[in-house]
Amino acid sequence: DAGVIQSPRHEVTEMGQEVTLRCKPISGHNSLFWYRQTMMRGLELLIYFNNNVPIDDSGMPEDRFSAKMPNASFSTLKIQPSEPRDSAVYFCASSLGWGEQFFGPGTRLTVL
Amino acid sequence: DQQVKQNSPSLSVQEGRISILNCDYTNSMFDYFLWYKKYPAEGPTFLISISSIKDKNEDGRFTVFLNKSAKHLSLHIVPSQPGDSAVYFCAASVLPGLGYGNKLVFGAGTILRVKS
Repeated sequence: DAGVIQSPRHEVTEMGQEVTLRCKPISGHNSLFWYRQTMMRGLELLIYFNNNVPIDDSGMPEDRFSAKMPNASFSTLKIQPSEPRDSAVYFCASSLGWGEQFFGPGTRLTVL
Repeated sequence: DQQVKQNSPSLSVQEGRISILNCDYTNSMFDYFLWYKKYPAEGPTFLISISSIKDKNEDGRFTVFLNKSAKHLSLHIVPSQPGDSAVYFCAASVLPGLGYGNKLVFGAGTILRVKS
């Protein structure tokens, strides 16, 4: 198995632009998580899905952030409009139930 | 409010010695605790876990200790190796119902450097 796949690996954009991060979870996993890592706040959970349904989005910072999971093999995290303070590394992880979470390599986002 | 705290941003240890990484939590409802390891430019990888019904769990060179009364856990690495140099994250959760994902709360991480 290729593991959790994230794209792009790096994204540089200008303030105000829309950013879309993509994630393909491990086949057969039914839970998907989006995390953000910053120096100030460490690794924080933004939202997680179970069987493609959003279960907890309490970590989503603002309405500018949205996430979707249209099917079991794909999820997106969108930021519109982006701001410099959104600069961070965004990780996607998947698991089977409450088993081990497997993380993707992350997307490093820089908003200028 | 940080529910999981790793108060040491970094730790430097000599190869062959013991590394002890510490973690404190505030939420008494947490019943499952994990340690993840992260290398640069990679995602975190699971290292070891412990349930609240235990006070120790061992896996090779890695041992996690849980002190529920103090709301404290620690990760011991013996002997430490240069390849152990990484960021270590402590995480905690309340185990969900069957079939649901585990909502983890992470600490800020501790950078471990093992010198050869």
